[in-house]
Amino acid sequence: EIVLTQSPATLSLSPGERATLSCRASQSVSSYLAWYQQKPGQAPRLLIYDASNRATGIPARFSGSGSGTDFTLTISSLEPEDFAVYYCQQRTLFGGGTKVEIK
Amino acid sequence: EVQLVESGGGLVQPGGSLRLSCAASGFTFSSYWMSWVRQAPGKGLEWVANIKQDGSEKYYVDSVKGRFTISRDNAKNSLYLQMNSLRAEDTAVYYCARDMRTKGAFDIWGQGTMVTVSS
Repeated sequence: EIVLTQSPATLSLSPGERATLSCRASQSVSSYLAWYQQKPGQAPRLLIYDASNRATGIPARFSGSGSGTDFTLTISSLEPEDFAVYYCQQRTLFGGGTKVEIK
Repeated sequence: EVQLVESGGGLVQPGGSLRLSCAASGFTFSSYWMSWVRQAPGKGLEWVANIKQDGSEKYYVDSVKGRFTISRDNAKNSLYLQMNSLRAEDTAVYYCARDMRTKGAFDIWGQGTMVTVSS
């Protein structure tokens, strides 16, 4: 069974800084990897699919990369609205999440 | 506007039953796989079940097999989750989500409906 491990669990950064989130799969998942953003009290929102494709309406500061077992979500310059929890997902599996909080 | 709206959540005793509904609008519902995803209070996301466009294929996470049944009515643009033999560990917000099967992602989500299993 594939396991998705996200790191770090919490990322403390300031607005304007670059955020780098990691998702590691226990075995190769090709490029079928998606990223979601979730804010308190809201449903998740799809950011990235197929590892590197931005979903409709997602700002260019969000980018995804990787293949096989190692994937990265990068937020080039954090905006105040980007502080949230981020999940990676492969098929029916979700990672445990990374919380991006204000430093 | 593409939209999913869940309903049917509430408080139920252990061993009880509940039926969740999800009303779809703004897209051709019958063209998409659909899924239910849940989130226990303060926890991460867990996929629960999905169903093919015509209802001919259904899959479940192991923890709900034999207790939950996913179904759909394409004429009513609606998705359902019948939950029986509910347990405390089923307490969660339940989201319906459009399943981009070919892309391996869920691109549209409802706002969620809360299910609480407690005596």
